[in-house]
Amino acid sequence: DIQMTQSPSTLSASVGDRVNITCRASQSVYTWLAWYQQKPGRAPKLLLYKSSTLESGVPSRFSGSGSGTEFTLTIGSLQPDDFATYYCQQYSSYWTFGQGTKVEVK
Amino acid sequence: QITLKESGPTLVKPTQTLTLTCTFSGFSLNTRGVGVGWIRQPPGKAPEWLALIFGDDDKRYSPSLRNRLTITKDTSKNQVVLIMTNMDPVDTATYYCAHRPMAVTGTSFDYWGQGILVSVSS
Repeated sequence: DIQMTQSPSTLSASVGDRVNITCRASQSVYTWLAWYQQKPGRAPKLLLYKSSTLESGVPSRFSGSGSGTEFTLTIGSLQPDDFATYYCQQYSSYWTFGQGTKVEVK
Repeated sequence: QITLKESGPTLVKPTQTLTLTCTFSGFSLNTRGVGVGWIRQPPGKAPEWLALIFGDDDKRYSPSLRNRLTITKDTSKNQVVLIMTNMDPVDTATYYCAHRPMAVTGTSFDYWGQGILVSVSS
């Protein structure tokens, strides 16, 4: 099984901050990596896929990079609506999620 | 517009079998490469993928839960059914179904149902 590890688990930030979340895979997933945003009581929402491709309708302040085993989600300028939990997910071999990164108000 | 909705019991007893139905619209599960998956999320924890069925009836199961899961589809009703046997309190979670587009799109689960919270308790 491919394991996904995110860091940090919790991130305290302010509106306007640039935010980076890291995701590491236990073996190469090439660029088969997606990022989701989840708010309490809601289903996860797809933000990016294939490491860096923005899903339709997602604001351009979200961006992704990386390949192989190390990936980064960047929020260019944090907005009030962005306080949520973020998950990476590999889909190179079956589907595995990271443990999540909660972005909270500083 | 693609929509999915989960239905089934919200409370089951330990050792019982859980049957969940995903009813979808806006796409055809007759298309090769298109799939519907089930993902669960225990309270306060990360999502966990369980199973997926493709339009050609190919099936994939989580290796850790393979012996407890069965996924089937009824294309005439636009439904996918997940059966999980021998339920335990640790299986308490919100269960989601999600649309998986054709692989050529390069993407993962792009549309999700609202989820159904299933509690396992005697």
